[in-house]
Amino acid sequence: GQNIDQPTEMTATEGAIVQINCTYQTSGFNGLFWYQQHAGEAPTFLSYNVLDGLEEKGRFSSFLSRSKGYSYLLLKELQMKDSASYLCAVRDSNYQLIWGAGTKLIIKP
Amino acid sequence: EAGVAQSPRYKIIEKRQSVAFWCNPISGHATLYWYQQILGQGPKLLIQFQNNGVVDDSQLPKDRFSAERLKGVDSTLKIQPAKLEDSAVYLCASSSKGAGELFFGEGSRLTVL
Repeated sequence: GQNIDQPTEMTATEGAIVQINCTYQTSGFNGLFWYQQHAGEAPTFLSYNVLDGLEEKGRFSSFLSRSKGYSYLLLKELQMKDSASYLCAVRDSNYQLIWGAGTKLIIKP
Repeated sequence: EAGVAQSPRYKIIEKRQSVAFWCNPISGHATLYWYQQILGQGPKLLIQFQNNGVVDDSQLPKDRFSAERLKGVDSTLKIQPAKLEDSAVYLCASSSKGAGELFFGEGSRLTVL
């Protein structure tokens, strides 16, 4: 079957750096997405990786290793507003999106 | 550019009643998705449309759920009759092409009592 694994919850301190990992087993691969979802709100797009390596976008970076079935989202200079759930999703060979359950990130002052 | 519009934002019904949700995607987006998201879980795809044709409805409980996108623009999702386990947020999303990023609406939160 197809599976996306992410930690359920992580805690970090304001101003620090946190890395949220995502491992996947899917039938084929056509790209990996990271979305941010604040409580009670809809998911919003953060990043997209289809080739191996690091994609940097401001305070957020996303890394992909297709051979390892692994990605991470790196958040730098954490702010209180970064408290949210972070969802990893993979497009399989049929271009269907497989979603992880999300990682709830708690930022403490 | 207007985002994905959904209504109603909140709905409370009793089990065995019916409910309908409406979605208007971003203008020009051919692909429309309905997701069910239960608290603490990732979104679960219910149905995906490409224009007015169904691409994937393999996880749609067809005995009680139905969806349509008659003119290839807006869409409705209906639940009849509702069960307690249908309590969830129903998210509509659209994309300009099948492989592109998804843009989500604010969701419709359903509570079944």
